[in-house]
This record gives sequence, C-alpha cells and structure tokens, in this order.
Amino acid sequence: DTEVTQTPKHLVMGMTNKKSLKCEQHMGHRAMYWYKQKAKKPPELMFVYSYEKLSINESVPSRFSPECPNSSLLNLHLHALQPEDSALYLCASSQERTSGRLHNEQFFGPGTRLTVL
Amino acid sequence: AQSVAQPEDQVNVAEGNPLTVKCTYSVSGNPYLFWYVQYPNRGLQFLLKYITGDNLVKGSYGFEAEFNKSQTSFHLKKPSALVSDSALYFCAVRETDSWGKFQFGAGTQVVVTP
Repeated sequence: DTEVTQTPKHLVMGMTNKKSLKCEQHMGHRAMYWYKQKAKKPPELMFVYSYEKLSINESVPSRFSPECPNSSLLNLHLHALQPEDSALYLCASSQERTSGRLHNEQFFGPGTRLTVL
Repeated sequence: AQSVAQPEDQVNVAEGNPLTVKCTYSVSGNPYLFWYVQYPNRGLQFLLKYITGDNLVKGSYGFEAEFNKSQTSFHLKKPSALVSDSALYFCAVRETDSWGKFQFGAGTQVVVTP
C-alpha cells in the first residue's frame, strides 16, 4: 500500500466550529507532515511528527492542534479558525532518517479542501 | 540556508514537443533535489529525485531531470509532451542537515496544447 489517505475531502466550517482532519498511511513511515497550500502556491510546512513525537512546529497558530495517535495516523484539530485559514491541507509521510540518510521523498495525500465561513 | 527558484510562472508547449521546466537551487551543503507534479484539486505526486551519482535522473511518466552542479540547476525534461502533462510542477530541495524540511519552489504551471 503506497497511499496516503485523507478525510474528509471537503470541509466547510464556521469560525466557532471545532473539526478534525484525518490522515492515514500504511507504508511503515515514521515521519508524517501537515502542510497548508493556497491556490497555485507551494505547500507551506506546518508540523512534522517523527516517531509519533512532534519535532517541528513552524510557528503555527494555536487554533491548529496536531495529534499523532499512532504510527499510521495523523490528525489536525481545528478550532476558532479564520476565513484566511481556508486552503488545501495536505498530509505527507516519509521514511524516518537512518544513518544520516535524509533524502527520502515525501508521499502526499490528496488533501482536504477547507473553507472557513 | 536553502532556497530554490523556478523562474517561469508558466510554460506553454505544443503536444509532441519537448518540455523543459527550470529549477535552480542554493544550499550550503550537498543538495537533495526533487520534482513533484500537482493536478487540480489533488495532492503532490513524486516524479523523481537526485541524491548522488549520475547527473541524469529518470523518473515517472517519461520525465527526467539533469543535475548541473556548476550551474546549480535541476531542470525537468520530457522529450515529447502530452496534453495530460498539463499541471503544476514543483521543484524542491533539502539540505543534508535539514531533515523534515523541504524548500519548495514557487511552482511552474505547464500548459500543453493539442
């Protein structure tokens, strides 16, 4: 299985709602990522998990809260979002580094299209 | 610090003609270079990577890329473009000590006309 899946595909929420995005992979990857992507722009890194521990937080507002319950799952909890948070949210995974091999490509899911009203 | 530049916002090419998408990079150490393609409302798909070895790297869907250290470039090429190659292409670089962090280029929209 060489696929990263994300649910839901689309999400519309109000600024007072609480929702969660889910990501799953069964490739045995121990690094998982959340990205935010605006239309026609490159993905912006939000969070990186390594062996289920948060290793990189790119100064993301606290209204975004990541969670990695196990090695296959990654969640992004959303609360009190702003309209400017509307974007495509991408999950990715890669092999963890071993012996200094840092070149492993990231495999991306199809994304969740989020609209904040 | 690492950075990557894609100098063209859009590349237009007729079907059957060669396709080139340009990418230049800047890193302080050895670069690991990647190309991804994104179709509308989809995630990024990995095309190919350069780590070490041969400067010409072959990837998926008939794409290849040439690593040029002296020009710090990693241009993506396809000998004969298809209409279905129309998509957004991203070059990415990762430095040896920056695990977890890709630096993506701004992206190049490729339009292949029949």
